[in-house]
Amino acid sequence: ILNVEQSPQSLHVQEGDSTNFTCSFPSSNFYALHWYRWETAKSPEALFVMTLNGDEKKKGRISATLNTKEGYSYLYIKGSQPEDSATYLCALDYTGTASKLTFGTGTRLQVTL
Amino acid sequence: DAGVTQSPTHLIKTRGQHVTLRCSPISGHKSVSWYQQVLGQGPQFIFQYYEKEERGRGNFPDRFSARQFPNYSSELNVNALLLGDSALYLCASSRGGANEKLFFGSGTQLSVL
Repeated sequence: ILNVEQSPQSLHVQEGDSTNFTCSFPSSNFYALHWYRWETAKSPEALFVMTLNGDEKKKGRISATLNTKEGYSYLYIKGSQPEDSATYLCALDYTGTASKLTFGTGTRLQVTL
Repeated sequence: DAGVTQSPTHLIKTRGQHVTLRCSPISGHKSVSWYQQVLGQGPQFIFQYYEKEERGRGNFPDRFSARQFPNYSSELNVNALLLGDSALYLCASSRGGANEKLFFGSGTQLSVL
């Protein structure tokens, strides 16, 4: 079983704080690593798809890095806003189909004023 | 364009009954995958269909089946429902190529009593 672990499980920050969380995986034998944001009562929304060691992606205040050699990916949020409150899911594609993803349990972020 | 749509949004069934969940992908997307999400866990892969053929199956019993229609919409069927089948069922679509992000629907919340 190729587990995907995310930490922390939950996080509570204040508006304006920068934060980061981790996705860890046991093997570098995957095709891609995905990050999704899932707001309450909405659909999971793709943030990034990363494939290469050293990959860095950025979307507004959110960025992500990938280190396949050491088995982790970081997601960073700069200057957190209440609208960033969501569960952030990491998922690995071990089959190359981009559809059969192995998800972690997520990091639940709450940003308060 | 409309996103991924799922129906129904909520469903209550009793043990032993059968259920059919429906999904319409984004226009132009030929791949549909199904995930089960239980509270506190990440989504678990159930099936992927591409061009009406099963491309992948997760670790679920034979009570779970699915199909994809010529218009690329899909159904997930679950027979002989158990209490443990209570979950949020998510449908996702993509073009089907490698390294493509998934587009998720809002899910069907199934409660088995």
